[in-house]
Amino acid sequence: EPEVTQTPSHQVTQMGQEVILRCVPISNHLYFYWYRQILGQKVEFLVSFYNNEISEKSEIFDDQFSVERPDGSNFTLKIRSTKLEDSAMYFCATLRQDMNTEAFFGQGTRLTVV
Amino acid sequence: AQSVAQPEDQVNVAEGNPLTVKCTYSVSGNPYLFWYVQYPNRGLQFLLKYITGDNLVKGSYGFEAEFNKSQTSFHLKKPSALVSDSALYFCAVRDVKLDMRFGAGTRLTVKP
Repeated sequence: EPEVTQTPSHQVTQMGQEVILRCVPISNHLYFYWYRQILGQKVEFLVSFYNNEISEKSEIFDDQFSVERPDGSNFTLKIRSTKLEDSAMYFCATLRQDMNTEAFFGQGTRLTVV
Repeated sequence: AQSVAQPEDQVNVAEGNPLTVKCTYSVSGNPYLFWYVQYPNRGLQFLLKYITGDNLVKGSYGFEAEFNKSQTSFHLKKPSALVSDSALYFCAVRDVKLDMRFGAGTRLTVKP
């Protein structure tokens, strides 16, 4: 069964450092999302991405965050200057260009900012 | 903008008893509704969806959900709970723009 792959599974970084979280979508999927989840709590929407541009973003997704799909395969989330409160699980999800299908989620990247 | 409410943070049931996890939604236009389950230290796993058609939809692991348009609800149900069903359950709604929003989650605990 096709799956969404996220790397790394766990990233520890010092406050103020830049991090890049990577996602390899399912091959025929065209919509991409990033969500975050703080310690088993609610799943918060960050951003959606389609046709090489941001479709929608939440208030969490401020100037410190950016997304891109640089090589047509990886979909990345960059946090420019990490803060302690950025510590969370970050999930990538992808969706086929089909209103009737469900989104598939990766296993997540646990980001720990120290 | 679409939104989802899961009024219960925690649901406790005994093994073998029926379970219900509640979800209500708000969206402009026709709703696309989903349930996902999360086991400890894992990603979100799709359970079932309502797009159109029968109001009662069946999904994985014996779960089902009933779409009620008048009450804007999409409650998750299972006739007989298993201990292995214990997990975090998320309801989600998607609009025509394909952006998906999740409820706060409900922690289901099934006791032997």
